Amino acid sequence: GAVVSQHPSRVICKSGTSVKIECRSLDFQATTMFWYRQFPKQSLMLMATSNEGSKATYEQGVEKDKFLINHASLTLSTLTVTSAHPEDSSFYICSARDSRQGNTDTQYFGPGTRLTVL
Amino acid sequence: GNSVTQMEGPVTLSEEAFLTINCTYTATGYPSLFWYVQYPGEGLQLLLKATKADDKGSNKGFEATYRKETTSFHLEKGSVQVSDSAVYFCALNFGNEKLTFGTGTRLTIIP
Repeated sequence: GAVVSQHPSRVICKSGTSVKIECRSLDFQATTMFWYRQFPKQSLMLMATSNEGSKATYEQGVEKDKFLINHASLTLSTLTVTSAHPEDSSFYICSARDSRQGNTDTQYFGPGTRLTVL
Repeated sequence: GNSVTQMEGPVTLSEEAFLTINCTYTATGYPSLFWYVQYPGEGLQLLLKATKADDKGSNKGFEATYRKETTSFHLEKGSVQVSDSAVYFCALNFGNEKLTFGTGTRLTIIP
């Protein structure tokens, strides 16, 4: 149990285009999902917290108009990188918090999406 | 604020060696503590967790004990394998708040 999927696993796009990344909890409901960015050989940087049915909460320094987050259901959150530029190239990882009682402290992570902007 | 300090890597060991990766934390109160593992090119997998003092988390031969008196959660394994080569992250949170991660420790096991 507690499987989180991400799609796509890899994407290459041209500068100026938008890219959507999906994060799904496959066997549990997640009222809260998180989006992280990871640079090579570094730890994860939290970008935003996504709550089902409400606006995402962005961390300081993260542009909300550039990184659009939608959490329309209890099993799906999407991150759209708008007008992507080469500096947005990174590994994006989502996680989902298990809503079941007694396990709400635990986040389960997706396999990540490697974005390359040319 | 909350913080997690991990032993700096990289760590290189021979197969069947004993592993310890140190992790200490700073927090007000008693957080939940986690170890996550990241294999090359993949996301993070929950390895083990502990939610209160003296709890021991264990999985796949790895263990870590929540030590309140030393604010530590050191990861140990008695006999490592090549397949254990990965990056290990220590983390904490309070209830349903966001995770605070350590910087990660890269482990390489040599046959």
